[in-house]
Amino acid sequence: GQSLEQPSEVTAVEGAIVQINCTYQTSGFYGLSWYQQHDGGAPTFLSYNALDGLEETGRFSSFLSRSDSYGYLLLQELQMKDSASYFCAGAQGGKLIFGQGTELSVKP
Amino acid sequence: GAVVSQHPSWVICKSGTSVKIECRSLDFQATTMFWYRQFPKQSLMLMATSNEGSKATYEQGVEKDKFLINHASLTLSTLTVTSAHPEDSSFYICSARVPLPGQGVYEQYFGPGTRLTVT
Repeated sequence: GQSLEQPSEVTAVEGAIVQINCTYQTSGFYGLSWYQQHDGGAPTFLSYNALDGLEETGRFSSFLSRSDSYGYLLLQELQMKDSASYFCAGAQGGKLIFGQGTELSVKP
Repeated sequence: GAVVSQHPSWVICKSGTSVKIECRSLDFQATTMFWYRQFPKQSLMLMATSNEGSKATYEQGVEKDKFLINHASLTLSTLTVTSAHPEDSSFYICSARVPLPGQGVYEQYFGPGTRLTVT
């Protein structure tokens, strides 16, 4: 089967750095994506890792280790507007399978 | 970037009626679209893959006769919730798949979602 596991919630303060982990169990898996979703909104694409290593996009970075079936999203210089749900998603057979999501709360 | 729209953005209907939700790719053609359902505080659950000109492929546990999908053109897919019941109340989100040139992989663009409330 396919499953992606994430912590259900994370709390951090403004200006801090937070890491959201994602572990997965699946076969024929290709690549790991990260999406952000604010309450009532649609998911917005943040980052994609097809290969092992770190991808950096501004304040957000994402890492993938295919041998460990593990990835993470790193958010730096946290801002209040970063409070949202974050989903990792695995690409398989042209479909995206989403993890359960991590609710990030940024406190002043 | 690619834009996907959905209509309506929210809808309230009575139990037993049917509701149609539209998903459009505005500035590109999408041979493949996806329909997701999301309950509050939960993840996006893939319901079905909508293929232009052919039958949709439903995920396990999704009733194809209840959730009718039609992908009649390269820019439009529709989801019809038939004989809706209160437990069908949810956030329905579509996405369109776009191939990344030369990479053999795809990017997905999501619509803004449709919130369905069945009373």
